Amino acid sequence: GDSVTQMEGPVTLSEEAFLTINCTYTATGYPSLFWYVQYPGEGLQLLLKATKADDKGSNKGFEATYRKETTSFHLEKGSVQVSDSAVYFCALTTTGGFKTIFGAGTRLFVKA
Amino acid sequence: SQTIHQWPATLVQPVGSPLSLECTVEGTSNPNLYWYRQAAGRGLQLLFYSVGIGQISSEVPQNLSASRPQDRQFILSSKKLLLSDSGFYLCASVQGSHGQYFGPGTRLTVL
Repeated sequence: GDSVTQMEGPVTLSEEAFLTINCTYTATGYPSLFWYVQYPGEGLQLLLKATKADDKGSNKGFEATYRKETTSFHLEKGSVQVSDSAVYFCALTTTGGFKTIFGAGTRLFVKA
Repeated sequence: SQTIHQWPATLVQPVGSPLSLECTVEGTSNPNLYWYRQAAGRGLQLLFYSVGIGQISSEVPQNLSASRPQDRQFILSSKKLLLSDSGFYLCASVQGSHGQYFGPGTRLTVL
């Protein structure tokens, strides 16, 4: 079945470091891919998305490229801030947009 | 854009007591609605989803149930809570490929 695998955390970085959180997926058809962010005690917020191969989603300095050949959607940010500390979820929505499959989440800690 | 409301924000209930969590959606009509549970430090577990009034699909057999009495209202219930029902409950709405909108969540502690 469809699935999402993302790197286990926690990931601890110093402020202004480069961030990569790996995400790979398995899906039939042509899913849409998403990154969500969850700040402590809150619900999830959509961070960025890509709906077809080679699309690049970007928001708030984060970006991810839909790579069909490697079935990946890695999240990157060139310079992280303390305020980026949160849990990040990679997800896919199956063709038809009915269900969303979430990865297990990666917790990011950014130290000042 | 859509807004998801959930209440209560926090709840502490004894084992064996009933449960009712409510979710309402603004800014859209006929959305697909979802209930997720997130255990401490864990990912999201899909519990129920609904594509319309009165239409509920269960993903995980357990002592919870869901109902959708109105287009933009989604209710999660239990007749008798278990310790294992503790967690962070999230309601979400989605339309098409725009991603999911999540509510602020309800933190349930069963003692």
